[in-house]
Amino acid sequence: QVQLQESGPGLVKPSETLSLTCTVSGGSVRSGSNYWSWIRQPPGKGLEWIGYSYYSGSTNYNPSLKSRVTISLDTSKNQFSLKLSSVTAADTAVYYCARLYCSRTSCYIDYWGQGILVTVSS
Amino acid sequence: QSALTQPASVSGSPGQSITISCTGTSSDVGGYNYVSWYQQHPGKAPKLMIYDVSNRPSGVSNRFSGSKSGNTASLTISGLQAEDEADYYCSSYTTMSTWLFGGGTKLTVL
Repeated sequence: QVQLQESGPGLVKPSETLSLTCTVSGGSVRSGSNYWSWIRQPPGKGLEWIGYSYYSGSTNYNPSLKSRVTISLDTSKNQFSLKLSSVTAADTAVYYCARLYCSRTSCYIDYWGQGILVTVSS
Repeated sequence: QSALTQPASVSGSPGQSITISCTGTSSDVGGYNYVSWYQQHPGKAPKLMIYDVSNRPSGVSNRFSGSKSGNTASLTISGLQAEDEADYYCSSYTTMSTWLFGGGTKLTVL
């Protein structure tokens, strides 16, 4: 059973960089079928896919956030992280880390962290 | 990329069936069988209910079923129960190798 846990500051100032970490247990970030993902949900609104990182080092990001986002893996700690730069109030959201599982014939997000609320405010 | 289109709300009485639609384009829903559905209760993380259009993960009730026709996917819940009241989101892979979510549908069990 894969478990994910987000950690990081719950308050970030405007124009600064939001940094979150997701610790994975019950599975390895080096697994070839897994794409380690971040998804966010502004208060009272829907889900927005941010991007993912693969153990090979490849990444893919939401085009609307691409210029500000970096997702990376730390295989030694079995963690992955999210950095979002130049944040504004519009980036206030619950941030979820998740596992995207993809095989040759199947692809879906199956495991989610509990989520962490990040508020952007001075 | 625009979000997939879902109705904002649906409702039904216990025991009834409801269907939630998820409309995209040939670049996402219509182009791939990688459509998933998630259930989210207030304050909780989303839970996978359907994957690859019509497959149920282990442990999910067979009252939940999924289908797709053209650019529109659908989630049907039969034998509606009070515990089904939640928000539901669809998701699809896209031609840009990215993922899109629907805007979400609030299900009310009357």
